[in-house]
Amino acid sequence: GAVVSQHPSRVICKSGTSVKIECRSLDFQATTMFWYRQFPKQSLMLMATSNEGSKATYEQGVEKDKFLINHASLTLSTLTVTSAHPEDSSFYICSASGPHGNYGYTFGSGTRLTVV
Amino acid sequence: GENVEQHPSTLSVQEGDSAVIKCTYSDSASNYFPWYKQELGKRPQLIIDIRSNVGEKKDQRIAVTLNKTAKHFSLHITETQPEDSAVYFCAASRTDSWGKLQFGAGTQVVVTP
Repeated sequence: GAVVSQHPSRVICKSGTSVKIECRSLDFQATTMFWYRQFPKQSLMLMATSNEGSKATYEQGVEKDKFLINHASLTLSTLTVTSAHPEDSSFYICSASGPHGNYGYTFGSGTRLTVV
Repeated sequence: GENVEQHPSTLSVQEGDSAVIKCTYSDSASNYFPWYKQELGKRPQLIIDIRSNVGEKKDQRIAVTLNKTAKHFSLHITETQPEDSAVYFCAASRTDSWGKLQFGAGTQVVVTP
């Protein structure tokens, strides 16, 4: 149980375009999803917390207008990187948590974004 | 907010020896401490975790210890094998933020045959 799927696994896009990343909980209802970013040889940094049906909470320093998060259902959250630039190239990874924290800490497979 | 420090940043061990990674945390309300193993380009995999009401937990060659008073916890890997080579991250979380993890900086472990 507690499987989290993330898509796409890799994406290359041109500078100025937008990219959408999906995170799905396959066998449980994810009331909360977290989006992390990981630069090469660095740790995972929390970008935002999204609760189903409400606005995401962004960490300090993360531009909410650039990283749009939607958590419209209990099994799907999306992260859209708008007007991507080369400095946005990174490994983006989600995690999902169920009610009362059940199944928390399960990570998606990650998305390697390269902006050229 | 929570701050997790992890040491060392790199660790080289001979196959069969033990490896120890240490983390400290700042938020006394943190009560869940997972350890993750991450191979290059892949997602972090939970290898062991401990909650604040427990001082030690063991799973085969892996063990974690927690000292709540000192606010530090450690990962112990015994009888290391080449497949243990990876980056290991400690993390801390608190009850009122289920799933929200603060990660340490990571430890690159290299096990040489």
